[in-house]
Amino acid sequence: AQSVTQPDIHITVSEGASLELRCNYSYGATPYLFWYVQSPGQGLQLLLKYFSGDTLVQGIKGFEAEFKRSQSSFNLRKPSVHWSDAAEYFCAVGGSQGNLIFGKGTKLSVKP
Amino acid sequence: NAGVTQTPKFRVLKTGQSMTLLCAQDMNHEYMYWYRQDPGMGLRLIHYSVGEGTTAKGEVPDGYNVSRLKKQNFLLGLESAAPSQTSVYFCASSSGYYNEQFFGPGTRLTVL
Repeated sequence: AQSVTQPDIHITVSEGASLELRCNYSYGATPYLFWYVQSPGQGLQLLLKYFSGDTLVQGIKGFEAEFKRSQSSFNLRKPSVHWSDAAEYFCAVGGSQGNLIFGKGTKLSVKP
Repeated sequence: NAGVTQTPKFRVLKTGQSMTLLCAQDMNHEYMYWYRQDPGMGLRLIHYSVGEGTTAKGEVPDGYNVSRLKKQNFLLGLESAAPSQTSVYFCASSSGYYNEQFFGPGTRLTVL
């Protein structure tokens, strides 16, 4: 069965520092991978997705993610974090029913 | 263009009461989903629909029923609410398998 692991429950970074959020997935075939962001009290918004092709994908708000099949990973990165990036981030893999299977999320706090 | 809307935003029920959550989308999407979000659990799929008149069970369907009588609406029902159903419920829609899912703002339900 497909599954997603986000090893870090909570990460704190300083504003202007770089960010990497980890995501590992379990899936037999080539996965469809997604990163969503949820601001407090809001629904989820898609940051980026990977279906095939170039393993480095660019998303909105300056985020990017790299698909590494050998490591079953799809880590999210941003070179310089802004205070407005404080939110919860969810990695997801496409399930067999066309749904999304989410990781448990990583909460990002940004220090001034 | 409102996207995905959910009614109500908040609700408190007593154990054994029933209620219906309404999800509406104006993007002419075929696929609609109901998820629940619990602390530390990410989002889990309750039921989904791949078109008007069709519904299917997701990962955690017990205690819930759904209907998709109109393409734009997806209703989630709780026939006899239990405290274990205290959660935040999100509706989402998409134009197809593994396409971007657009989320509503959520409904916070408390069952006493």
